[in-house]
Amino acid sequence: NAGVTQTPKFRILKIGQSMTLQCAQDMNHNYMYWYRQDPGMGLKLIYYSVGAGITDKGEVPNGYNVSRSTTEDFPLRLELAAPSQTSVYFCASRDGQRLNYGYTFGSGTRLTVV
Amino acid sequence: TQLLEQSPQFLSIQEGENLTVYCNSSSVFSSLQWYRQEPGEGPVLLVTVVTGGEVKKLKRLTFQFGDARKDSSLHITAAQPGDTGLYLCAGTLNDYKLSFGAGTTVTVRA
Repeated sequence: NAGVTQTPKFRILKIGQSMTLQCAQDMNHNYMYWYRQDPGMGLKLIYYSVGAGITDKGEVPNGYNVSRSTTEDFPLRLELAAPSQTSVYFCASRDGQRLNYGYTFGSGTRLTVV
Repeated sequence: TQLLEQSPQFLSIQEGENLTVYCNSSSVFSSLQWYRQEPGEGPVLLVTVVTGGEVKKLKRLTFQFGDARKDSSLHITAAQPGDTGLYLCAGTLNDYKLSFGAGTTVTVRA
């Protein structure tokens, strides 16, 4: 079982460039999430999805977009990258039938915008 | 402002000592979770507490959920270097989303 797979692990972008962070899970989880982690700030929710075709904004959605065409995949799109988007990005999933079960996280994508 | 306040932010202790990390909020949570994160990896779930006053033990780790479900603590007995990491508390209100504290960085010196 691979769990949650994120690619790439590292990326450097120039200001104004765009990219897509990939996230795939093989646990048939309905709920998927994107978080960003900045030093001393914990994890902040960017977007989440409760099932294929359904997405919603979290705390810090500006500058990002998502789509959820399948249960397995939940890509995060950055348009017009800015230095403020330098961060570590984590994708997570959860079994929607077990609301108090923990999230399974990917190993993260470290993004630097220069 | 963080929904969940963790303290202390940093903790450095000698192997064999005990430590406690606190997680506090003014909100009532339906459940609260503790995660540990190591450098270059995502957080890994340690425990979920659901009932006010609940105490759970995981080997040398003891987790407590406050009676009012607004706070929690993590206590480590006889800490070992392998306990080093970032400890995160996270709570669920009445929706599908977890809110995280800022984390406590624990360093256990051999």
